[in-house]
Amino acid sequence: GQNIDQPTEMTATEGAIVQINCTYQTSGFNGLFWYQQHAGEAPTFLSYNVLDGLEEKGRFSSFLSRSKGYSYLLLKELQMKDSASYLCAVENAGNMLTFGGGTRLMVKP
Amino acid sequence: GAGVSQSPSNKVTEKGKDVELRCDPISGHTALYWYRQSLGQGLEFLIYFQGNSAPDKSGLPSDRFSAERTGGSVSTLTIQRTQQEDSAVYLCASSPGLYNEQFFGPGTRLTVL
Repeated sequence: GQNIDQPTEMTATEGAIVQINCTYQTSGFNGLFWYQQHAGEAPTFLSYNVLDGLEEKGRFSSFLSRSKGYSYLLLKELQMKDSASYLCAVENAGNMLTFGGGTRLMVKP
Repeated sequence: GAGVSQSPSNKVTEKGKDVELRCDPISGHTALYWYRQSLGQGLEFLIYFQGNSAPDKSGLPSDRFSAERTGGSVSTLTIQRTQQEDSAVYLCASSPGLYNEQFFGPGTRLTVL
């Protein structure tokens, strides 16, 4: 079976740093995705981790530890437009994605 | 280049009617996926195609749901005898192949009255 856990909601201040955690237990693992989804819109790709370690891409970074079944998405220099849901998704064999419930991030001035 | 497109963008139907949702993937993408997102809920995987074949249909919620893909391109998701619990946004995504980033379409919002 697949089980992916992430916090339901988080609040942070504009300009700050926020870390969104994701833990997973899955049968088979090929990689882990993070997607951003603004209300009423389709998800958009943020990052894809296959190997352990930190992947940095501008203000966004994603970390993976396969042995711990753990990932996090780090957002730096938060902007109001970063208010969105952040979806953690695990890819198993056959490129099937299982999504977590998403973390709704609210950035306040 | 064009992204993934879906039609219709909105569909309102009466309980018991059949609906057909269409997805046009990015040209050249061999893999195509259907997801469902109910209001305030996470994404639920329904089915994926590699080329024209769907190796695993176990994600479809019931036998009222079916999907096909012809010519390795356009896919249709058909829901027969719609029920109110089928109301959701149906998202389609495509990717260049296995183990690649998925690109999502804008979704079809289905409302069953």
